Amino acid sequence: EAQVTQNPRYLITVTGKKLTVTCSQNMNHEYMSWYRQDPGLGLRQIYYSMNVEVTDKGDVPEGYKVSRKEKRNFPLILESPSPNQTSLYFCASSLTPHLAGAQNIQYFGAGTRLSVL
Amino acid sequence: AQTVTQSQPEMSVQEAETVTLSCTYDTSESDYYLFWYKQPPSRQMILVIRQEAYKQQNATENRFSVNFQKAAKSFSLKISDSQLGDAAMYFCAYVGDRDDKIIFGKGTRLHILP
Repeated sequence: EAQVTQNPRYLITVTGKKLTVTCSQNMNHEYMSWYRQDPGLGLRQIYYSMNVEVTDKGDVPEGYKVSRKEKRNFPLILESPSPNQTSLYFCASSLTPHLAGAQNIQYFGAGTRLSVL
Repeated sequence: AQTVTQSQPEMSVQEAETVTLSCTYDTSESDYYLFWYKQPPSRQMILVIRQEAYKQQNATENRFSVNFQKAAKSFSLKISDSQLGDAAMYFCAYVGDRDDKIIFGKGTRLHILP
């Protein structure tokens, strides 16, 4: 079954304590992306990756890091979390974001609810 | 820069009625893709429908259809015969043919009244 798996689903942490949210996809997709969702702001892209070792900033990258050492994994790292990073986070993957046809579909993970106290 | 605007933060519709959610976007590109995503209370993001800008025909998926007006940069979603399971947040999204980034609107929360 095609899946994007995020872990953990829920996380409560304290300011400054480094954390990693994992994301894994089993579809051999080249493109992976992280979003945060906040009330009234919709989904905003944090970082994305076009392939292994290729990452780029989205619209709200400050305070986040990513890595893409393997095609299937795209972890999101918060080196020093702050309360303004309390949000709902989604990982997504697709073959690429801009191919025509049926390949042009993003698959989303189930989301990670993060609270930073 | 490209933008996506959903001007209706919330909408309500009676069960079995038809509702239209609006979305406008701004771009200087001629080739791009537009999407509607549904996010039910489970928070899962589900692709509802997709439109390629080079296609003049409006996309349809069962009870869901779009009204794509390229000149007006408008991409509305019509839900026919609304069902209780349609209650969700709906997001409009844009990606340019040469872009790597996808832009979402702020969402419209749809309530279905029994």
